[in-house]
Amino acid sequence: QSALTQPASVSGSPGQSITISCTGTSSDVGTYNLVSWYQQHPGKAPKLVIYEGSKRPSGVSHRFSGSRSGNTASLTISGLQAEDEADYYCCSYAYSTFYVFATGTKVTVL
Amino acid sequence: QVQLQESGPGLVKTSGTLSLTCAVSGGSISSGYWWSWVRQPPGKGLEWIGEISHSGSTNYNPSLKSRVTISVDKSRNRFSLNLSSVTAADTAVYYCARSGDYCLEYWGQGTLVTVPS
Repeated sequence: QSALTQPASVSGSPGQSITISCTGTSSDVGTYNLVSWYQQHPGKAPKLVIYEGSKRPSGVSHRFSGSRSGNTASLTISGLQAEDEADYYCCSYAYSTFYVFATGTKVTVL
Repeated sequence: QVQLQESGPGLVKTSGTLSLTCAVSGGSISSGYWWSWVRQPPGKGLEWIGEISHSGSTNYNPSLKSRVTISVDKSRNRFSLNLSSVTAADTAVYYCARSGDYCLEYWGQGTLVTVPS
């Protein structure tokens, strides 16, 4: 069972912005902010889109951004595109538990 | 760019040991990074299994620790996963990945392992 909570689904129209939340505790997200986000299309391997809370790997679209407020991390996708339809997972790193994934959010582009 | 490729049996008998190997190309396994295994049961979310450094130090998911062994073969630039006493609940796609900056940067394509119930 995951210690991190994400909404099961989020949807938006093309061009809109959506935000996916990832709620942890003061023992993980709230203290370390070592949150990473992964995009996974059906039948494919996950792809890193955000690391250390807000950093974007080389080659990842600027439309993806990450932030944190208290014990909740967030992934925002701006200018939503059809190709953004996928499952998104947040993952928190903590020195005692290492990598813990949340249950994932299905993003639907209407 | 680093590439990872999982290999191993696609079917494992109940109570047996699941053994997978991850071949690393485009970079050395001794480059200072950690190397992870992650699994995903059909239709479900991701679960981190554990990781190993090039020197052989390991960290494991506490929920799987009693059944997991991860090892590294620097001469062949690969690392391996052994999961013992498997049941149908261990049926999943198993991914290998390179850990870096507190995240999983590069992933293999994954391999499905089925444990018949």
